[in-house]
Amino acid sequence: QSALTQPASVSGSPGQSITISCTGTSSDLGGYNYVSWYQQHPGKAPKLIIYAVSDRPSGVSHRFSGSKSTNTASLTISGLQAEDEADYYCASYASSSILFGGGTKLTVL
Amino acid sequence: EVQLVESGGGLVKPGGSLRLSCAASGFSFSDYALTWVRQAPGKGLEWVSSISGSSTHKYYADSVKGRFTISRDNAKNSLFLQMNSLRADDTAVYYCARAPPDTTATTPPGGYWGQGTLVTVSA
Repeated sequence: QSALTQPASVSGSPGQSITISCTGTSSDLGGYNYVSWYQQHPGKAPKLIIYAVSDRPSGVSHRFSGSKSTNTASLTISGLQAEDEADYYCASYASSSILFGGGTKLTVL
Repeated sequence: EVQLVESGGGLVKPGGSLRLSCAASGFSFSDYALTWVRQAPGKGLEWVSSISGSSTHKYYADSVKGRFTISRDNAKNSLFLQMNSLRADDTAVYYCARAPPDTTATTPPGGYWGQGTLVTVSA
């Protein structure tokens, strides 16, 4: 039950696009299309922003998009806004467990 | 409106026990798998345990296996986490979360999470 690997931090200026990667193995992230992404602001519960690799829940901005290639999933945020500054976590189905990434702190410069 | 409300957190000594509850409303409770996720202070999210809608399937993280027990009461729309032999590294905010519809217990949680309950293990 090893965690998925995410960069500790990323940053970007308002209006720019950024991508956060999430790397697993063929036994978890690479083997299934059950990858989710969550946004968490300080002191708040996580909020689902992407599920099933690339689907967006209703109400989530189209600026958020997800993809996957082999054992790496990616979250792209386009048109960065100040309110996007938060922690982002990926998660994957792993047969008899759920794996989370270590989290990525997004700073909007 | 879907709601998940955790309770039962608090301060407990190492080696002690605590039982967390999660009261659910606004959806057909027995149709959904549920998951406990925790977050230690200043740290990331960690999956703890998941249970299927009928309680047939239960899964645990290696870090809690043998010490924690997940259960649910579908008649009372409630999820539980019995935590025994607690250690300092179990200190965290514990969230209950609902799986997406028509998915297995170990599908990452969907869009419904509780507000969390804080468990502090300290002498």
